[in-house]
Amino acid sequence: EAQVTQNPRYLITVTGKKLTVTCSQNMNHEYMSWYRQDPGLGLRQIYYSMNVEVTDKGDVPEGYKVSRKEKRNFPLILESPSPNQTSLYFCASTHLMGLTGELFFGEGSRLTVL
Amino acid sequence: QQQVKQSPQSLIVQKGGISIINCAYENTAFDYFPWYQQFPGKGPALLIAIRPDVSEKKEGRFTISFNKSAKQFSLHIMDSQPGDSATYFCAAAISSGSARQLTFGSGTQLTVLP
Repeated sequence: EAQVTQNPRYLITVTGKKLTVTCSQNMNHEYMSWYRQDPGLGLRQIYYSMNVEVTDKGDVPEGYKVSRKEKRNFPLILESPSPNQTSLYFCASTHLMGLTGELFFGEGSRLTVL
Repeated sequence: QQQVKQSPQSLIVQKGGISIINCAYENTAFDYFPWYQQFPGKGPALLIAIRPDVSEKKEGRFTISFNKSAKQFSLHIMDSQPGDSATYFCAAAISSGSARQLTFGSGTQLTVLP
């Protein structure tokens, strides 16, 4: 089954404790992206990657890191989480969007930073 | 700066009624306008999309109307059903090299009453 898999789905952590949210896709997509969803703000892009070893900042990259060492994986790293990073996070992927433009999303990771 | 403004934030409609969600954009370089549908606990999924060279696109009960001169587009859901209850996001994309970058609206939570 074609899918984008995120882990963990739910996480409660404390300020300053490094964490990683993993994302994996099995559709051989070149493009992967991370978004955060907050009430009233919609989906805001954190980072994206157009291919292995190619990453770029989105609209709200502060406090986050990413890496793309393999085509299928795109982990999101919070080196020192803060309460303002409490949010619902989505990973998404697609073939390079010049074709259909359809993003395929994971089911989300709800993060709470105390 | 919010490049895509979406309204209303929430909408309650009776079964069988018409649901209308509106979006306005600022950047005239946007060349692709999708709508995503998100059910609780799930990631967003592409519902329908339009390009600026057409004024309307219909897929079943869902229609996008596009007004290029006004820089506005809207989603109409005819004969709304309780199963349509979800959060809807409009988005706009601008070609960037070989990839499109989506800018999302703030979302509309639709509730269809039985």
